[in-house]
Amino acid sequence: DVKVTQSSRYLVKRTGEKVFLECVQDMDHENMFWYRQDPGLGLRLIYFSYDVKMKEKGDIPEGYSVSREKKERFSLILESASTNQTSMYLCASRVPGTGGIIYGYTFGSGTRLTVV
Amino acid sequence: AQSVTQLDSQVPVFEEAPVELRCNYSSSVSVYLFWYVQYPNQGLQLLLKYLSGSTLVESINGFEAEFNKSQTSFHLRKPSVHISDTAEYFCAVSEDQGAQKLVFGQGTRLTINP
Repeated sequence: DVKVTQSSRYLVKRTGEKVFLECVQDMDHENMFWYRQDPGLGLRLIYFSYDVKMKEKGDIPEGYSVSREKKERFSLILESASTNQTSMYLCASRVPGTGGIIYGYTFGSGTRLTVV
Repeated sequence: AQSVTQLDSQVPVFEEAPVELRCNYSSSVSVYLFWYVQYPNQGLQLLLKYLSGSTLVESINGFEAEFNKSQTSFHLRKPSVHISDTAEYFCAVSEDQGAQKLVFGQGTRLTINP
């Protein structure tokens, strides 16, 4: 099974800090995604990447950037953390559905970020 | 670009009653459809998905969903719910071409009362 690992389960950061959220997948998938989950709003797409150094903005990219230097790692960066970025952040990898593997998406366990 | 609407933010039902969680989507191309479940204080789990073929898909715990292309819907149903089904349910859609990003609805909180 594909494994998507998010390096931290809980993080507490101060307003104005630069924050890095790391995500690693172990199956050489091209497409990776960052979401934030907030009550009543579901999961909203922040950024996604379809290859190394390739990225596209999702629905709510403001205040975030991303980095994809290697295929297995997709990092979300909060340039200057603010309290309204307190949320649960979820990383996902798209399973391409080739070689007998069924198409789908695999999610990490999430990082609950609190900005104080 | 695709979008998803879950018509009910909360659905309370009694144990052993049937339930339907509604999901409608919008897309200009063919889509794949998913239902995810999130139990209290747990991560996101895939419940079932429609990729192609039979429009009725089932999960191992008794849920089913039917893809209705003409109504652009993918409603989730269960004939008899249990307390353990208490969770938040998310409908999601991805297009079968391009970036294939997964777009979610706002979620439906299912509460089962004894």
